[in-house]
Amino acid sequence: EVQLLESGGGLVQPGGSLRLSCAASGFTFSSYAVSWVRQAPGKGLEWVSGISATGGTTHNADSVKGRFTISRDNSKNTLYLQMNSLRAEDTAVYYCAKARGYTYAYQLDYWGQGTLVTVSS
Amino acid sequence: QSVLTQPPSVSAAPGQRVTISCSGSSSNIGNNYVCWYQQLPGTAPRLLIYEHDKRPSGIPDRFSGSKSGTSATLGITGLQTGDEADYYCGTWDSSLSAGVFGGGTKLTVL
Repeated sequence: EVQLLESGGGLVQPGGSLRLSCAASGFTFSSYAVSWVRQAPGKGLEWVSGISATGGTTHNADSVKGRFTISRDNSKNTLYLQMNSLRAEDTAVYYCAKARGYTYAYQLDYWGQGTLVTVSS
Repeated sequence: QSVLTQPPSVSAAPGQRVTISCSGSSSNIGNNYVCWYQQLPGTAPRLLIYEHDKRPSGIPDRFSGSKSGTSATLGITGLQTGDEADYYCGTWDSSLSAGVFGGGTKLTVL
């Protein structure tokens, strides 16, 4: 059974940093691209970042470029999202999701339950 | 403002059929696979359709997808009260080099 378990969310002040983790199991993690998708309270889905199976290719939404860094450790079956210079508008539930393909992190067939990030003073 | 455009809401009676549209451009829907996701209240999204019209295992054939040009459509037949959810289209945008979603459509089964 495919499982994705996010952790690391919490309350952080504007301008602060946070690192999210996503522990994957039940599939060959190193064979698939993975992604972070967020959802602000009461709002729709927003694709945030994606990383290829090997980690050699990353993509980021314009809204987080220069502030968020996606990475993965295939030896630990874990995906990360380093979030710096956080803003109030980054407040959201952050989902980790597995892609169907190897390079481009869309067509997301499995999702975690999400971790809440709140940016507030 | 989302890159992909969906109607905010649709509604229909139990047993009826409903369609949800998703409009984009040549840089996204026109040249990349379209997916559809269902998000029940308080839960994570679930993949309903991938590669325009394919269903993952476990998704009933009441759900269907199609694509024409720069638009895509999700169809749901035999509506059930359990289908009440938010539905999102998604794809890749080659100009943005990023994934994109529609704004979501809330389905109400009257």
